[in-house]
Amino acid sequence: DGGITQSPKYLFRKEGQNVTLSCEQNLNHDAMYWYRQDPGQGLRLIYYSQIVNDFQKGDIAEGYSVSREKKESFPLTVTSAQKNPTAFYLCASSMFGGSTDTQYFGPGTRLTVL
Amino acid sequence: SQQGEEDPQALSIQEGENATMNCSYKTSINNLQWYRQNSGRGLVHLILIRSNEREKHSGRLRVTLDTSKKSSSLLITASRAADTASYFCATGANSKLTFGKGITLSVRP
Repeated sequence: DGGITQSPKYLFRKEGQNVTLSCEQNLNHDAMYWYRQDPGQGLRLIYYSQIVNDFQKGDIAEGYSVSREKKESFPLTVTSAQKNPTAFYLCASSMFGGSTDTQYFGPGTRLTVL
Repeated sequence: SQQGEEDPQALSIQEGENATMNCSYKTSINNLQWYRQNSGRGLVHLILIRSNEREKHSGRLRVTLDTSKKSSSLLITASRAADTASYFCATGANSKLTFGKGITLSVRP
């Protein structure tokens, strides 16, 4: 059953805590992405990675960190420096990372800061 | 920065009618893609049109691209209640996709 998975589906965090969102794919895709979605704002790119051990900042990287130690995995850490972390987080992957690639999305993680 | 802007923001139609959604963008692109999102779920790719193409079809979907006007339209023919979702255009350039804010389509049975 190929695809992209995210866990957990719902996550609650206290202010001042770091939290890590998981993203795994078994599509053998080179590129992976993290987006944030707020109501009425569409998707905004946080970080992306086109190859293992390399990643680039997107439009809203402040307060977030990522790693890409394995091709299949691209975890996102929301740090305490992120001032307004409550949002829906979407992970995606694509075959090569070019702008003509189709991106395949996971089901998302909804993060709520209490 | 969000490049694509969809229009209208929300659309409500009767089952069987056609739905037309528009997307405008500001800078040069390699391609434009349309995605669909059911409430609370991830996005699903619908169709891609390259900058040198003017029209493309996929089942009940028809997409057009006018690079001189920097605009695209997505037509869903013979809509069904199951087409109810949010639709996003995404412009491709510089190894990234930039998504618009989306259009909420409601199809009444």
